[in-house]
Amino acid sequence: KAGVTQTPRYLIKTRGQQVTLSCSPISGHRSVSWYQQTPGQGLQFLFEYFSETQRNKGNFPGRFSGRQFSNSRSEMNVSTLELGDSALYLCASSLLAGDQNEQFFGPGTRLTVL
Amino acid sequence: GDSVTQMEGPVTLSEEAFLTINCTYTATGYPSLFWYVQYPGEGLQLLLKATKADDKGSNKGFEATYRKETTSFHLEKGSVQVSDSAVYFCALRSSGGGADGLTFGKGTHLIIQP
Repeated sequence: KAGVTQTPRYLIKTRGQQVTLSCSPISGHRSVSWYQQTPGQGLQFLFEYFSETQRNKGNFPGRFSGRQFSNSRSEMNVSTLELGDSALYLCASSLLAGDQNEQFFGPGTRLTVL
Repeated sequence: GDSVTQMEGPVTLSEEAFLTINCTYTATGYPSLFWYVQYPGEGLQLLLKATKADDKGSNKGFEATYRKETTSFHLEKGSVQVSDSAVYFCALRSSGGGADGLTFGKGTHLIIQP
């Protein structure tokens, strides 16, 4: 079974631009979560989607948004990029939402903001 | 809010040494607990999990026991190998409605020398 895939793997943008990252979950998984990983803040939860609805959201500004499509694929968007948005963005999928459901992580998208 | 504390390292050991990485947590309710491992350039892989007090998670020679009385979930391995070199993350997810995704510790960089 194919794992979680994320595209693109690497991205370079400049301040003020916007960016869209894509995540395809494992086949049959309906929940997708997004995390930001930086050296300073570590891994932080962005949001979770289940059946096309945002279920939970972390403590990030409104510039960070996401959506999920009917095939469970998900995108996250960051508008008006700032230098501090440079990070590894990880997507994770699970069969269902909820605390006991194992999350499978993709390889991440490395975003560099110049 | 929820939080996870773990030693950040780097922790350097010789091959075949005994490994302990401490992890303590603060959470409301009864969280599920996880250890994830991240190899260079890759996403996170679930190493083991425990969903209730006194549960022991185990995988690939690694073990951790959910200790509710000490709010701990220490990772242990009896004999480490060079291939165990990676970053290890302790994480929790609270149960009940409004769960905010996984809460991670800062990660422990483990280096095993031959």
